[in-house]
Amino acid sequence: AQKITQTQPGMFVQEKEAVTLDCTYDTSDPSYGLFWYKQPSSGEMIFLIYQGSYDQQNATEGRYSLNFQKARKSANLVISASQLGDSAMYFCAMREGPGGQGNLIFGKGTKLSVKP
Amino acid sequence: DAGITQSPRHKVTETGTPVTLRCHQTENHRYMYWYRQDPGHGLRLIHYSYGVKDTDKGEVSDGYSVSRSKTEDFLLTLESATSSQTSVYFCAIRGGTGFPTDTQYFGPGTRLTVL
Repeated sequence: AQKITQTQPGMFVQEKEAVTLDCTYDTSDPSYGLFWYKQPSSGEMIFLIYQGSYDQQNATEGRYSLNFQKARKSANLVISASQLGDSAMYFCAMREGPGGQGNLIFGKGTKLSVKP
Repeated sequence: DAGITQSPRHKVTETGTPVTLRCHQTENHRYMYWYRQDPGHGLRLIHYSYGVKDTDKGEVSDGYSVSRSKTEDFLLTLESATSSQTSVYFCAIRGGTGFPTDTQYFGPGTRLTVL
């Protein structure tokens, strides 16, 4: 069974609109971390945002926010006011176990295209 | 910038030849990782290291070996390259100033083609 599921292989969004990229995860460990990475066409992997399983509030980093619904085991990435430069692959990842331990498990990614 | 470099950045080789990819970091991070990225698979962990001479296998370790003789360098070796090892290889480190300590930061990647 997949531990990280990204159900949207590709998505389109109009420039300046908000977009939500879905991510569901599967773990029985009470302590875990969730990450989002961006991979533009140039190929580098860029860390965007992190959410710990015990964090009470949803993480935010500028135009990025993480809609963390623990009971549903979902960690959706919300990008507000999309820009052309947001066109990229986006990967959700999970670390099982407490911080400082455990390796990352990645989803297969969602390709986001921002239309002018 | 996590100070990670990978060499070479591009390599074309023939089936059956040995290949070594190098990851170099400048910030004394303890944990280092090698991933491969293939279409439809996301990133998959090959091997990782938690200190000098301390390494362990990841999800897709068959056909790969690693070595870490000093903190700053983590080498990935394909003893006898096969076409199925054609991929983009990423090195990563864990931790960094100002970020959650278990966040991984990636190098620029190495595109390997095995003919």
